Amino acid sequence: DGGITQSPKYLFRKEGQNVTLSCEQNLNHDAMYWYRQDPGQGLRLIYYSQIVNDFQKGDIAEGYSVSREKKESFPLTVTSAQKNPTAFYLCASRGTQGDGYTFGSGTRLTVV
Amino acid sequence: DQQVKQNSPSLSVQEGRISILNCDYTNSMFDYFLWYKKYPAEGPTFLISISSIKDKNEDGRFTVFLNKSAKHLSLHIVPSQPGDSAVYFCAASLYGNNRLAFGKGNQVVVIP
Repeated sequence: DGGITQSPKYLFRKEGQNVTLSCEQNLNHDAMYWYRQDPGQGLRLIYYSQIVNDFQKGDIAEGYSVSREKKESFPLTVTSAQKNPTAFYLCASRGTQGDGYTFGSGTRLTVV
Repeated sequence: DQQVKQNSPSLSVQEGRISILNCDYTNSMFDYFLWYKKYPAEGPTFLISISSIKDKNEDGRFTVFLNKSAKHLSLHIVPSQPGDSAVYFCAASLYGNNRLAFGKGNQVVVIP
């Protein structure tokens, strides 16, 4: 079955530590995205990549970094510079222009 | 500045009745609109979409209406079922731009 896999589902991090969230897709989609969801805030775009080895900042990129070395993979690193990292993180991919996004099941990050 | 707005954050409806969700957008260049459904701790799933060349699209119990002059779209769910209880996100995109702009979501509760 084709889809997007995010791991882990739950993640705990100590303050001051970097942590990397995994996102893998086998849909052969070119574009991939990272969103953050907070209560009452909807989905906010962190970073996106339209092609391998290229990515752009979204609306709330500060404190985050990404890489896109392979078409299938788009990991997100939450750095210690992110002031309020506790949130639900969603990865998505998109094929052709007329398609919507396919989302992963999300990772809940909690800073302790 | 939010380009896609969903007011009335929550809606309660009796099972079997109609649920109507509204969405307004500010960018008249948007040409493709989508609705996503999201359960807690899961990724959103695609529900229905509409191109700007249409004013209505129907898929089973779900119908989306688009009023371009008013920059307004709505999602009708009829009849509503308890499994429809979820958060619904409205999204819009520009042709040639791979990004989707999301609204903040509407919580729907269907009462058995």
